[in-house]
Amino acid sequence: GAVVSQHPSWVICKSGTSVKIECRSLDFQATTMFWYRQFPKQSLMLMATSNEGSKATYEQGVEKDKFLINHASLTLSTLTVTSAHPEDSSFYICSATRRGGTDTQYFGPGTRLTVL
Amino acid sequence: QKEVEQDPGPLSVPEGAIVSLNCTYSNSAFQYFMWYRQYSRKGPELLMYTYSSGNKEDGRFTAQVDKSSKYISLFIRDSQPSDSATYLCAMRAGNQFYFGTGTSLTVIP
Repeated sequence: GAVVSQHPSWVICKSGTSVKIECRSLDFQATTMFWYRQFPKQSLMLMATSNEGSKATYEQGVEKDKFLINHASLTLSTLTVTSAHPEDSSFYICSATRRGGTDTQYFGPGTRLTVL
Repeated sequence: QKEVEQDPGPLSVPEGAIVSLNCTYSNSAFQYFMWYRQYSRKGPELLMYTYSSGNKEDGRFTAQVDKSSKYISLFIRDSQPSDSATYLCAMRAGNQFYFGTGTSLTVIP
């Protein structure tokens, strides 16, 4: 159990367009979902934490208006990169913690975004 | 000082070797300790999850936690080329998670 999916797994878009990435917990209800960004050969960088039904909490330096997070249900969170630019190209990974659990984060497979 | 310190490596070992990966931490409030494995261009995969001090074994993997020294380890026995990946330690205090920077491991056939 504790499977997290992401869609799409990769996306290429033109500069100036917006891209939406979905994160779903497939077999559990997620109290909290996290969004990370990862550059090649670097560690995870937490962008924001979201709880179902409430506004996301963004880490310092992460633009709220650029990276829109919507945690619509206990199994779905979306990250929208608005007006994407080449510097937004990165590997975006979501994770989730189980509702009622005191355990760990379960990660999705990641989405590779390339902005041309 | 970072909450969690992890040697980034890279670490290169011959197949069959015993691998030791380590993290140190400063926050005594950490209660849960995790090890993740991340292959290139993939999301991290949970390997081990421990709560208390001591050892936890799962196949070729052993996680060790020493709360008194604020030190955790992951041992990989009989390492295989398929173990080549980046290994991340993680710790939790309440709802806050802290990750190490990851250690890159290559197991040479």
